[in-house]
Amino acid sequence: GAGVSQTPSNKVTEKGKYVELRCDPISGHTALYWYRQSLGQGPEFLIYFQGTGAADDSGLPNDRFFAVRPEGSVSTLKIQRTERGDSAVYLCASSFLAGVWETQYFGPGTRLLVL
Amino acid sequence: GNSVTQMEGPVTLSEEAFLTINCTYTATGYPSLFWYVQYPGEGLQLLLKATKADDKGSNKGFEATYRKETTSFHLEKGSVQVSDSAVYFCALSGETSGSRLTFGEGTQLTVNP
Repeated sequence: GAGVSQTPSNKVTEKGKYVELRCDPISGHTALYWYRQSLGQGPEFLIYFQGTGAADDSGLPNDRFFAVRPEGSVSTLKIQRTERGDSAVYLCASSFLAGVWETQYFGPGTRLLVL
Repeated sequence: GNSVTQMEGPVTLSEEAFLTINCTYTATGYPSLFWYVQYPGEGLQLLLKATKADDKGSNKGFEATYRKETTSFHLEKGSVQVSDSAVYFCALSGETSGSRLTFGEGTQLTVNP
């Protein structure tokens, strides 16, 4: 159907709280990616899924960050004990297949602000 | 590891001017190269891509040629419009990094009428 969707579009939380960010990929896309974009910077890779499994989670900054994709479609990025430095735009992307030549389609992002 | 370097911005041009945004990369093997664009208030969208050396990607009047000898993928447009005002990101996905994209820092382009 439509493009990649992400909810919420904005999230304000307090330091130390837990947050969940949701991504709905394009229907039929097998690969799903999470990136983080700080102000004035390019997106930085966090994790990607091929189907239900995390194929590469080497970009997760520490063990407070975790992501799941239990049914191979929707994914949730979970951040525990949030810190002010986690404030950024979290982008989700999907592609039909995983491969270096594949086009990734991005969602509008979730803007996270940790106070 | 892989890296992408873009020319520093911001870039300000008058309408109908020629645009070049430089992009060079470091990667092993044969990466695929992309230009993404982020219009004000919108998400990232693919502008063009090239998947092998000497390929030229083109879209909406923009072009970029994959130059392996100079490890470059410079973005060009012959005549910019006000509607081209946006942030442009060069990116690559490489053989050693799988499907992940490595982005440059972005170049803010403003086109004045």
